[in-house]
Amino acid sequence: GAGVSQSPSNKVTEKGKDVELRCDPISGHTALYWYRQRLGQGLEFLIYFQGNSAPDKSGLPSDRFSAERTGESVSTLTIQRTQQEDSAVYLCASSLTWAGGRNEQFFGPGTRLTVL
Amino acid sequence: GNSVTQMEGPVTLSEEAFLTINCTYTATGYPSLFWYVQYPGEGLQLLLKATKADDKGSNKGFEATYRKETTSFHLEKGSVQVSDSAVYFCALPETSGSRLTFGEGTQLTVNP
Repeated sequence: GAGVSQSPSNKVTEKGKDVELRCDPISGHTALYWYRQRLGQGLEFLIYFQGNSAPDKSGLPSDRFSAERTGESVSTLTIQRTQQEDSAVYLCASSLTWAGGRNEQFFGPGTRLTVL
Repeated sequence: GNSVTQMEGPVTLSEEAFLTINCTYTATGYPSLFWYVQYPGEGLQLLLKATKADDKGSNKGFEATYRKETTSFHLEKGSVQVSDSAVYFCALPETSGSRLTFGEGTQLTVNP
């Protein structure tokens, strides 16, 4: 398909384990975003990539969270030593360019992370 | 930085009722404004947008007008359907433009 894809769709892990979440943006989209959505809450920004550089990491909640992106392609969000408060849906979005936020962001279906 | 305040829900309506979901914003300059919708079990998708003052965004019978005098972007629909049941998010770019700032979301349930 032509949309943003994310994997896995669901992840259940034990407290203290590391997890990797993957995002495949729409081909040709240079900007990529990660958000977190806790149950019943709005979206919380985590990190933004323009190409493979991350000009804005201000939303990462702690140093247990990191992300990387290969060129203008796939991105991986890694959470080390997971905690129960990390349980949420992690959403990835991409847009054609940064363009000062004017471009529409296309969202993936999300990864639901549950930390037991 | 830029911020958005969205009407709290949940909102429950009967089919064919009129819908308004309020959204007000605080922003530097005149950024684009967006409404996103999240249907049950699905990801967010753009519902409509407006890129400058007095613009009206519209899609699927929904409308919202960018009003700089009242710093508002209220979402309206004249006759809702059961299939409109979803969570609606108002959003605008952060000051730097690097990401979107979202409202808390409004859960809409439409009963037949």
